[in-house]
Amino acid sequence: EVQLVQSGAEVKKPGESLKISCKGSGYTFTNYWIGWVRQMPGKGLEWMGIIYPGDSDTRYSPSFQGQVTISADKSISTAYLQWSSLKASDTAMYYCARRSEGSLYYWGQGTLVTVSS
Amino acid sequence: DIQMTQSPSSLSASVGDRVTITCRASQGIRNDLGWYQQKPGKAPKRLIYAASSLQSGVPSRFSGSGSGTEFTLTISSLQPEDFATYYCLQHNSYLWTFGQGTKVEIK
Repeated sequence: EVQLVQSGAEVKKPGESLKISCKGSGYTFTNYWIGWVRQMPGKGLEWMGIIYPGDSDTRYSPSFQGQVTISADKSISTAYLQWSSLKASDTAMYYCARRSEGSLYYWGQGTLVTVSS
Repeated sequence: DIQMTQSPSSLSASVGDRVTITCRASQGIRNDLGWYQQKPGKAPKRLIYAASSLQSGVPSRFSGSGSGTEFTLTISSLQPEDFATYYCLQHNSYLWTFGQGTKVEIK
Protein backbone atom coordinates (compact mmCIF):
# COMPACT_ATOMS: atom_id res chain seq x y z
CA GLU A 1 0.00 0.00 0.00
CA VAL A 2 1.38 3.37 -1.02
CA GLN A 3 1.60 5.79 1.89
CA LEU A 4 2.97 9.28 2.37
CA VAL A 5 3.42 10.24 6.01
CA GLN A 6 4.21 13.86 6.78
CA SER A 7 5.89 15.32 9.84
CA GLY A 8 3.84 16.91 12.58
CA ALA A 9 2.48 20.40 13.05
CA GLU A 10 4.96 23.20 13.65
CA VAL A 11 4.70 26.53 15.45
CA LYS A 12 7.52 28.93 14.60
CA LYS A 13 8.43 32.59 14.92
CA PRO A 14 9.08 34.90 11.98
CA GLY A 15 12.65 34.64 10.79
CA GLU A 16 13.12 31.06 11.99
CA SER A 17 14.03 28.20 9.66
CA LEU A 18 12.01 25.06 9.15
CA LYS A 19 12.21 21.75 7.28
CA ILE A 20 9.14 19.52 7.03
CA SER A 21 9.19 15.99 5.70
CA CYS A 22 7.17 13.49 3.70
CA LYS A 23 8.13 9.82 3.96
CA GLY A 24 7.05 7.48 1.21
CA SER A 25 6.47 3.75 1.61
CA GLY A 26 4.92 0.89 -0.30
CA TYR A 27 6.58 1.75 -3.61
CA THR A 28 9.96 2.49 -5.20
CA PHE A 29 10.58 6.03 -3.94
CA THR A 30 13.03 6.99 -6.68
CA ASN A 31 10.62 6.25 -9.53
CA TYR A 32 7.84 8.78 -8.90
CA TRP A 33 7.60 12.57 -8.75
CA ILE A 34 6.53 14.08 -5.42
CA GLY A 35 4.89 17.47 -5.35
CA TRP A 36 4.20 20.00 -2.62
CA VAL A 37 0.95 21.94 -2.34
CA ARG A 38 0.12 24.90 -0.10
CA GLN A 39 -3.29 25.74 1.28
CA MET A 40 -3.53 28.96 3.24
CA PRO A 41 -6.36 29.23 5.79
CA GLY A 42 -9.71 29.30 4.00
CA LYS A 43 -8.06 29.44 0.56
CA GLY A 44 -7.49 27.21 -2.44
CA LEU A 45 -4.76 24.78 -3.40
CA GLU A 46 -1.49 26.16 -4.77
CA TRP A 47 1.09 24.03 -6.58
CA MET A 48 4.50 24.89 -5.12
CA GLY A 49 6.83 22.56 -6.94
CA ILE A 50 7.81 19.00 -7.59
CA ILE A 51 10.86 16.73 -7.31
CA TYR A 52 11.92 13.49 -8.95
CA PRO A 53 13.83 11.68 -6.22
CA GLY A 54 15.65 9.47 -8.71
CA ASP A 55 17.83 12.31 -9.96
CA SER A 56 16.65 15.24 -7.79
CA ASP A 57 15.25 17.08 -10.83
CA THR A 58 13.22 19.86 -9.19
CA ARG A 59 10.75 22.43 -10.53
CA TYR A 60 9.30 25.41 -8.69
CA SER A 61 6.26 27.55 -9.28
CA PRO A 62 7.43 31.13 -9.93
CA SER A 63 5.42 32.13 -6.84
CA PHE A 64 7.63 29.95 -4.65
CA GLN A 65 10.99 30.02 -6.46
CA GLY A 66 13.59 31.39 -4.06
CA GLN A 67 11.16 31.23 -1.13
CA VAL A 68 11.40 27.53 -0.36
CA THR A 69 13.69 24.59 -1.14
CA ILE A 70 12.43 21.16 -2.14
CA SER A 71 14.78 18.22 -1.68
CA ALA A 72 14.76 14.46 -1.22
CA ASP A 73 16.86 11.82 0.52
CA LYS A 74 16.64 8.59 -1.45
CA SER A 75 18.29 6.58 1.30
CA ILE A 76 15.36 7.13 3.64
CA SER A 77 12.60 7.62 1.04
CA THR A 78 11.82 11.10 2.28
CA ALA A 79 11.07 14.38 0.56
CA TYR A 80 11.47 17.75 2.24
CA LEU A 81 10.19 21.29 2.05
CA GLN A 82 12.25 23.92 3.81
CA TRP A 83 12.33 27.60 4.58
CA SER A 84 15.38 29.61 5.66
CA SER A 85 13.43 32.53 7.10
CA LEU A 86 9.73 32.10 7.78
CA LYS A 87 7.16 34.86 7.46
CA ALA A 88 3.70 35.11 8.98
CA SER A 89 2.33 34.67 5.46
CA ASP A 90 3.83 31.15 5.36
CA THR A 91 1.14 30.05 7.82
CA ALA A 92 -0.69 27.30 5.95
CA MET A 93 -1.34 23.60 5.56
CA TYR A 94 1.27 21.94 3.36
CA TYR A 95 0.59 18.70 1.56
CA CYS A 96 2.94 16.37 -0.27
CA ALA A 97 1.53 14.14 -2.97
CA ARG A 98 2.89 11.50 -5.32
CA ARG A 99 2.35 11.54 -9.04
CA SER A 100 0.43 8.63 -10.56
CA GLU A 101 -1.25 8.38 -13.98
CA GLY A 102 -0.28 11.94 -14.82
CA SER A 103 -1.31 14.06 -11.89
CA LEU A 104 -1.07 13.87 -8.09
CA TYR A 105 -2.88 10.90 -6.62
CA TYR A 106 -1.45 9.70 -3.31
CA TRP A 107 -1.53 12.45 -0.69
CA GLY A 108 0.04 12.90 2.69
CA GLN A 109 -2.09 13.91 5.64
CA GLY A 110 -0.78 17.47 5.61
CA THR A 111 1.50 19.47 7.89
CA LEU A 112 0.14 22.62 9.51
CA VAL A 113 2.75 25.35 9.80
CA THR A 114 1.91 28.32 12.02
CA VAL A 115 4.23 31.33 12.02
CA SER A 116 3.49 33.85 14.73
CA SER A 117 5.44 36.16 16.97
CA ASP B 1 3.03 29.75 -17.38
CA ILE B 2 -0.31 28.11 -18.05
CA GLN B 3 -3.21 29.71 -16.16
CA MET B 4 -6.32 27.74 -15.26
CA THR B 5 -9.57 29.65 -14.97
CA GLN B 6 -12.18 27.71 -13.06
CA SER B 7 -15.86 28.65 -12.92
CA PRO B 8 -18.05 29.20 -11.10
CA SER B 9 -16.21 29.99 -7.86
CA SER B 10 -19.22 28.73 -5.93
CA LEU B 11 -22.65 27.34 -6.58
CA SER B 12 -25.71 26.33 -4.61
CA ALA B 13 -27.51 23.18 -5.65
CA SER B 14 -30.01 20.66 -4.33
CA VAL B 15 -29.66 16.92 -3.90
CA GLY B 16 -30.42 15.31 -7.24
CA ASP B 17 -29.32 18.31 -9.32
CA ARG B 18 -26.93 18.04 -12.23
CA VAL B 19 -23.83 20.16 -11.59
CA THR B 20 -21.21 21.31 -14.10
CA ILE B 21 -17.86 22.91 -13.30
CA THR B 22 -15.53 24.27 -15.98
CA CYS B 23 -11.79 24.83 -16.22
CA ARG B 24 -10.27 26.78 -19.09
CA ALA B 25 -6.55 26.65 -19.81
CA SER B 26 -4.68 29.68 -21.16
CA GLN B 27 -3.13 27.42 -23.80
CA GLY B 28 -3.68 23.88 -24.99
CA ILE B 29 -2.87 21.15 -22.49
CA ARG B 30 -4.08 18.10 -24.46
CA ASN B 31 -5.85 15.99 -21.80
CA ASP B 32 -3.28 16.56 -19.04
CA LEU B 33 -5.81 17.47 -16.37
CA GLY B 34 -7.13 16.00 -13.15
CA TRP B 35 -10.16 16.87 -11.04
CA TYR B 36 -10.10 16.81 -7.24
CA GLN B 37 -12.61 16.94 -4.43
CA GLN B 38 -11.67 18.39 -1.06
CA LYS B 39 -13.74 18.31 2.10
CA PRO B 40 -12.94 20.51 5.12
CA GLY B 41 -9.92 19.34 7.06
CA LYS B 42 -9.07 16.61 4.58
CA ALA B 43 -6.49 16.12 1.86
CA PRO B 44 -7.75 16.42 -1.72
CA LYS B 45 -9.02 13.29 -3.44
CA ARG B 46 -8.64 12.75 -7.17
CA LEU B 47 -11.87 11.96 -8.99
CA ILE B 48 -10.81 12.13 -12.64
CA TYR B 49 -7.44 11.76 -14.35
CA ALA B 50 -6.42 12.35 -17.97
CA ALA B 51 -9.44 14.69 -18.26
CA SER B 52 -12.04 11.95 -18.60
CA SER B 53 -10.87 8.77 -16.86
CA LEU B 54 -12.80 7.94 -13.71
CA GLN B 55 -10.58 7.11 -10.76
CA SER B 56 -11.15 3.62 -9.39
CA GLY B 57 -13.65 3.64 -6.54
CA VAL B 58 -15.21 6.97 -7.50
CA PRO B 59 -18.97 6.88 -8.12
CA SER B 60 -20.04 6.91 -11.76
CA ARG B 61 -22.14 10.05 -11.25
CA PHE B 62 -18.84 11.91 -11.63
CA SER B 63 -17.57 12.41 -15.17
CA GLY B 64 -15.00 14.54 -16.91
CA SER B 65 -14.73 15.74 -20.48
CA GLY B 66 -12.71 18.05 -22.63
CA SER B 67 -9.37 18.39 -24.33
CA GLY B 68 -7.13 21.24 -25.33
CA THR B 69 -8.29 24.32 -23.44
CA GLU B 70 -11.77 23.58 -22.09
CA PHE B 71 -12.63 20.96 -19.52
CA THR B 72 -15.75 20.03 -17.60
CA LEU B 73 -16.50 18.09 -14.44
CA THR B 74 -20.09 16.92 -14.23
CA ILE B 75 -21.94 15.45 -11.28
CA SER B 76 -25.03 13.87 -12.80
CA SER B 77 -27.12 13.68 -9.62
CA LEU B 78 -25.73 15.54 -6.64
CA GLN B 79 -25.63 13.53 -3.41
CA PRO B 80 -25.30 14.85 0.16
CA GLU B 81 -21.69 13.63 0.37
CA ASP B 82 -20.75 15.64 -2.74
CA PHE B 83 -20.95 19.01 -1.01
CA ALA B 84 -17.29 20.00 -1.08
CA THR B 85 -14.79 22.13 -2.98
CA TYR B 86 -13.58 20.97 -6.39
CA TYR B 87 -10.31 21.82 -8.15
CA CYS B 88 -8.73 21.13 -11.51
CA LEU B 89 -4.98 20.60 -11.87
CA GLN B 90 -3.11 20.84 -15.17
CA HIS B 91 0.15 18.94 -15.49
CA ASN B 92 0.95 19.54 -19.15
CA SER B 93 3.63 22.14 -18.77
CA TYR B 94 6.94 22.14 -16.93
CA LEU B 95 5.07 23.99 -14.18
CA TRP B 96 1.71 22.77 -12.98
CA THR B 97 -1.30 24.87 -11.94
CA PHE B 98 -4.51 24.42 -9.96
CA GLY B 99 -7.75 26.14 -10.78
CA GLN B 100 -9.09 28.52 -8.14
CA GLY B 101 -11.67 26.04 -6.85
CA THR B 102 -15.47 25.71 -6.90
CA LYS B 103 -17.35 25.41 -3.64
CA VAL B 104 -20.53 23.37 -4.00
CA GLU B 105 -23.02 24.28 -1.28
CA ILE B 106 -26.45 23.06 -0.30
CA LYS B 107 -29.36 25.15 -1.59
